[in-house]
Amino acid sequence: GESVGLHLPTLSVQEGDNSIINCAYSNSASDYFIWYKQESGKGPQFIIDIRSNMDKRQGQRVTVLLNKTVKHLSLQIAATQPGDSAVYFCAESRASYDKVIFGPGTSLSVIP
Amino acid sequence: DTGVSQNPRHKITKRGQNVTFRCDPISEHNRLYWYRQTLGQGPEFLTYFQNEAQLEKSRLLSDRFSAERPKGSFSTLEIQRTEQGDSAMYLCASSRPGEVRVTEAFFGQGTRLTVV
Repeated sequence: GESVGLHLPTLSVQEGDNSIINCAYSNSASDYFIWYKQESGKGPQFIIDIRSNMDKRQGQRVTVLLNKTVKHLSLQIAATQPGDSAVYFCAESRASYDKVIFGPGTSLSVIP
Repeated sequence: DTGVSQNPRHKITKRGQNVTFRCDPISEHNRLYWYRQTLGQGPEFLTYFQNEAQLEKSRLLSDRFSAERPKGSFSTLEIQRTEQGDSAMYLCASSRPGEVRVTEAFFGQGTRLTVV
């Protein structure tokens, strides 16, 4: 079946550097693509989303890029901080009211 | 704390026993979702409600699983005759469909189930 998956299971970055987390998806019918952050012992926390008719969206220190041609999604974190250490999940939804389907996650470790 | 609340946080049960988890969503949220997460994996969708109506159930939700949301507020997830494979974190999330960021579901901290 169609699913959302990730290229890199683990990522280590130096504090202050930029981080890029990548994700490949296969469901062309998805309308929203979302990034969640999950810290140890906590539920996933919404970071940012992007609608399928957009290719870039910026938030506070984060940018999501969507390339529909190659079905690729990425999350860029600027000036990575120790508090950014967590597992990051890309996810997709067919519609604004529909359930969210998660990918397997990338663990981000920030080196002080 | 006005976030999504789940109880209990941890549950250890013997194989074959029944367990029930509770989720209290954010008060103005009419959509409520249940997910299951195993170690190292992303959450897997189980079911969701709009108010008291259960709109969709995943094929992961076997006959041993049942979810209810009788008054459109809190929800319960019951697992009957638990098996070791049921060991996982059970996450609840709620959201309110609107104009902007409707995918911004808020998750609880989950109930970790261990079946021994």
